[in-house]
Amino acid sequence: AQSVTQPDIHITVSEGASLELRCNYSYGATPYLFWYVQSPGQGLQLLLKYFSGDTLVQGIKGFEAEFKRSQSSFNLRKPSVHWSDAAEYFCAVGAPMNRDDKIIFGKGTRLHILP
Amino acid sequence: NAGVTQTPKFQVLKTGQSMTLQCAQDMNHNSMYWYRQDPGMGLRLIYYSASEGTTDKGEVPNGYNVSRLNKREFSLRLESAAPSQTSVYFCASSATGAAGELFFGEGSRLTVL
Repeated sequence: AQSVTQPDIHITVSEGASLELRCNYSYGATPYLFWYVQSPGQGLQLLLKYFSGDTLVQGIKGFEAEFKRSQSSFNLRKPSVHWSDAAEYFCAVGAPMNRDDKIIFGKGTRLHILP
Repeated sequence: NAGVTQTPKFQVLKTGQSMTLQCAQDMNHNSMYWYRQDPGMGLRLIYYSASEGTTDKGEVPNGYNVSRLNKREFSLRLESAAPSQTSVYFCASSATGAAGELFFGEGSRLTVL
């Protein structure tokens, strides 16, 4: 079964600084990988996803993520954060080899932005 | 477009009471999911359904039952509510199962006293 770990519960960065949120997964093959964002009081929105091919994927709101098979990681990055990026970010994984539809989420990383 | 609709949005129950959370999607998606969200625990999968007539257990199925009534509707039932089931519940759907984007409902906040 697949699993996903987000090592950082909270991250604080200054507005305009760069951001990297970590995500590690456990699965015997290349999984389906996703990043979702949940803004305060809001629902969840997909930022980007990776299935195969180019290991650097671009998403909405200026976010990107890089799949690294050797490190079992799918870290989310943004070159310059804005105050509106303050939210909770979730990494999620699906398992293409399991022939089921299960999608598992990490525990999330809450991003705080300093003015 | 309504997307994924959950009802009720808020509910307070007493321990031992039962209730059903309703979820409906109008996007003709095959796969539907129920998650619970608790502080510090992220979203945990309760049950999911790949298609009408099929359901599977997720990470935390104990104390819950589900029904995939038809392609549109996927309900979650608490037969005998416990305080540990106090949570925010999200229903979601996907066009292509584990490979697809999840579309979420607005959530249902359940408090069990």
